[in-house]
Amino acid sequence: GESVGLHLPTLSVQEGDNSIINCAYSNSASDYFIWYKQESGKGPQFIIDIRSNMDKRQGQRVTVLLNKTVKHLSLQIAATQPGDSAVYFCAENKDTGRRALTFGSGTRLQVQP
Amino acid sequence: DVKVTQSSRYLVKRTGEKVFLECVQDMDHENMFWYRQDPGLGLRLIYFSYDVKMKEKGDIPEGYSVSREKKERFSLILESASTNQTSMYLCASRSPTGVNEKLFFGSGTQLSVL
Repeated sequence: GESVGLHLPTLSVQEGDNSIINCAYSNSASDYFIWYKQESGKGPQFIIDIRSNMDKRQGQRVTVLLNKTVKHLSLQIAATQPGDSAVYFCAENKDTGRRALTFGSGTRLQVQP
Repeated sequence: DVKVTQSSRYLVKRTGEKVFLECVQDMDHENMFWYRQDPGLGLRLIYFSYDVKMKEKGDIPEGYSVSREKKERFSLILESASTNQTSMYLCASRSPTGVNEKLFFGSGTQLSVL
């Protein structure tokens, strides 16, 4: 029979609003974090990254905030556009010796026109 | 731009078949990775390779093996496909750690095992 996966959190925003996508990471020793965007039918695409010696980094229309005290990462998208509709994943280098990224389960962003 | 190419976009195989998923990257990256992606579970690491003929198990290696005979190519092998291996498989590559930790992904192979 059909298998049902876990529910994917969804954030719905109006076009032009700012979006904030949150992520809790697990390893306080992780020193590198990254956000990916995945559109339907495509592989994940890099958005922005940040190292643990920073608490904020800005790109074009995107900002990543890192709060190491509570192990929280957020992605802010300014003036959200329909083309921003996608699933967003955060990732950390949880195993700092192995240096392979560990991904979160993702958040779906839906932009309403 | 880095290009990571996965040979098949969709594959349908039968239980018990041996399945090869191929991945090629054109940026001379030493590191290559195989992830599987399932709804609500994110991406889970199956195997990775730091260089030619080197491989390491990821978080869910059971039922899989890999081959890295050439730097540009990293193959994922399902020795005897099972229905619980129905998934989206994503290949990624990266330049050596310490230089840039960003992964570049292929478009994925959606594998259905019947």
